[in-house]
Amino acid sequence: AQSVTQLDSHVSVSEGTPVLLRCNYSSSYSPSLFWYVQHPNKGLQLLLKYTSAATLVKGINGFEAEFKKSETSFHLTKPSAHMSDAAEYFCVVSYPGTYKYIFGTGTRLKVLA
Amino acid sequence: DAGVIQSPRHEVTEMGQEVTLRCKPISGHDYLFWYRQTMMRGLELLIYFNNNVPIDDSGMPEDRFSAKMPNASFSTLKIQPSEPRDSAVYFCASSLRGPGQGGSPLHFGNGTRLTVT
Repeated sequence: AQSVTQLDSHVSVSEGTPVLLRCNYSSSYSPSLFWYVQHPNKGLQLLLKYTSAATLVKGINGFEAEFKKSETSFHLTKPSAHMSDAAEYFCVVSYPGTYKYIFGTGTRLKVLA
Repeated sequence: DAGVIQSPRHEVTEMGQEVTLRCKPISGHDYLFWYRQTMMRGLELLIYFNNNVPIDDSGMPEDRFSAKMPNASFSTLKIQPSEPRDSAVYFCASSLRGPGQGGSPLHFGNGTRLTVT
């Protein structure tokens, strides 16, 4: 079955240090991949998307993600964490010919002062 | 672009009452989705529409839940009668072309927080 796995339910980093949020998907067949961020009491906001163009995707707020087909991964990174990055992050995948967006279970990012 | 607009933002009601949640998708988007989010179950897809037609309602928990999309700019999710276990945040989202079609992303509203006492 098609699925997406976020390997860490919680990640803590210090302000100013790099962020790495991991995401693996189950099938390498032409996926579209997305990262969303959800701040408390807010909806999910699109950070970036991969749709078979450049493998390194740049998003908003300094985030980027690299599509690695050989590893079926789409990890989210940011060089330097800011306090305002504290939120929950969701990795989402969809496949051609299917009719669902498949959500990961989310990673809660905590940024320490 | 005003984004996806949901109303109300908060709804508190008593068990047994009817609840109606409303959504206005982004203009020009052909797909509309209703999700429910709880701490225990995370994000769950309830139903989605393509060009105002319900395509997949397998996520609707039971007959107490119903959704309509009378036109391209408006959708409702109704719960009748409501129960305490329906307490959750309900999100509406829209997308231009839908899943599996050229990587069209979902655009979410800010949600309706429903509390049933």
